[in-house]
Amino acid sequence: KQEVTQIPAALSVPEGENLVLNCSFTDSAIYNLQWFRQDPGKGLTSLLLIQSSQREQTSGRLNASLDKSSGRSTLYIAASQPGDSATYLCAAPLNNAGNMLTFGGGTRLMVKP
Amino acid sequence: NAGVTQTPKFQVLKTGQSMTLQCAQDMNHNSMYWYRQDPGMGLRLIYYSASEGTTDKGEVPNGYNVSRLNKREFSLRLESAAPSQTSVYFCASSEDRGGEQYFGPGTRLTVT
Repeated sequence: KQEVTQIPAALSVPEGENLVLNCSFTDSAIYNLQWFRQDPGKGLTSLLLIQSSQREQTSGRLNASLDKSSGRSTLYIAASQPGDSATYLCAAPLNNAGNMLTFGGGTRLMVKP
Repeated sequence: NAGVTQTPKFQVLKTGQSMTLQCAQDMNHNSMYWYRQDPGMGLRLIYYSASEGTTDKGEVPNGYNVSRLNKREFSLRLESAAPSQTSVYFCASSEDRGGEQYFGPGTRLTVT
């Protein structure tokens, strides 16, 4: 059974800092790994999806890396802004069919002006 | 292009009542999913439909039924609601299994 862990559970940084969010998973035979953002009371917004054959993906100020051998993924946010404040979730498939995502508990990020 | 839509946004039920949560997507996706999100438990998959005409159990299917009505719509039914089903329910879709999943805004359900 896939287990996904995110540390820290909460993070507060001043505006402009570069930061890294961590995600670890127990089963390295993942199909892919997806990062999401969730604002309070809202649904999830997909940020990046990394296929198992890839090592990283970039979108704007976001860069996600994947190291299957160590069971880890990181989400790097450059030059953080108050608008980046949200909960960030990573998810990996429960099985090799890729359908059934197992989610981490999330990291709640606060970027202070 | 509305993406994934869910109705209703909020619902309060009494124990034992039934209801159906509706989900529709306009992205021509093959796969659709239902999740629940609870404090301290995170998001967990209830049921999914890999393609039109198929449904499969996820991690927490007990107490729920689903119907893939057509390619666009995937509904979740609570036949006899229990307080343990108080949660926020999210529907999601992806082009194919293993693809990037897109989520709806959620339904907040309270069972008293």
